[in-house]
Amino acid sequence: DAKTTQPPSMDCAEGRAANLPCNHSTISGNEYVYWYRQIHSQGPQYIIHGLKNNETNEMASLIITEDRKSSTLILPHATLRDTAVYYCIVRVSYNQGGKLIFGQGTELSVKP
Amino acid sequence: DTGVSQDPRHKITKRGQNVTFRCDPISEHNRLYWYRQTLGQGPEFLTYFQNEAQLEKSRLLSDRFSAERPKGSFSTLEIQRTEQGDSAMYLCASSLGQGGREAFFGQGTRLTVV
Repeated sequence: DAKTTQPPSMDCAEGRAANLPCNHSTISGNEYVYWYRQIHSQGPQYIIHGLKNNETNEMASLIITEDRKSSTLILPHATLRDTAVYYCIVRVSYNQGGKLIFGQGTELSVKP
Repeated sequence: DTGVSQDPRHKITKRGQNVTFRCDPISEHNRLYWYRQTLGQGPEFLTYFQNEAQLEKSRLLSDRFSAERPKGSFSTLEIQRTEQGDSAMYLCASSLGQGGREAFFGQGTRLTVV
């Protein structure tokens, strides 16, 4: 079963920051938080991941709370092409196979 | 293109027929995962390989399903005696078998059973 909880949908104005929340209150100490997104009819696309520290790459920033029970994915300047379903995933540890257990995700609609 | 490749992209088959899908992972990725995704749902884990060894199978993987990765490189997923409920997108992903490394997905094979 998925270990994350996300809002089913969100809207964001084009050019504004999109902040997508995720709760993962049962995360274990060696489990990473991963974010993927999926545009209709395509395979999931990796965005970012983190363990404890905040992370930033060319696509997004990931803010993880100190107790690791929640995180926020930030798309700093959302574009229409960022419209997709965003999945927050607690990845099973390497020794348990490292599989990704997807939940329902958040459907983000970026509007002009 | 050095990403994960899946073939075919689309497959339409009649109920009761057998189908086989292929996945070519990123070179040197020792872990390979299969997922199934139905409309409106997130991908569901089916099975994974560490090199050529199949280490875990989900309860979703009925006895009509079989997956192989004979030389630890490409993998095949076969469905025997297909049913309409097998209609879905079948996704493959690969990663290096180390903690904290990302998994990359292919574009999937969309199966329609008529």
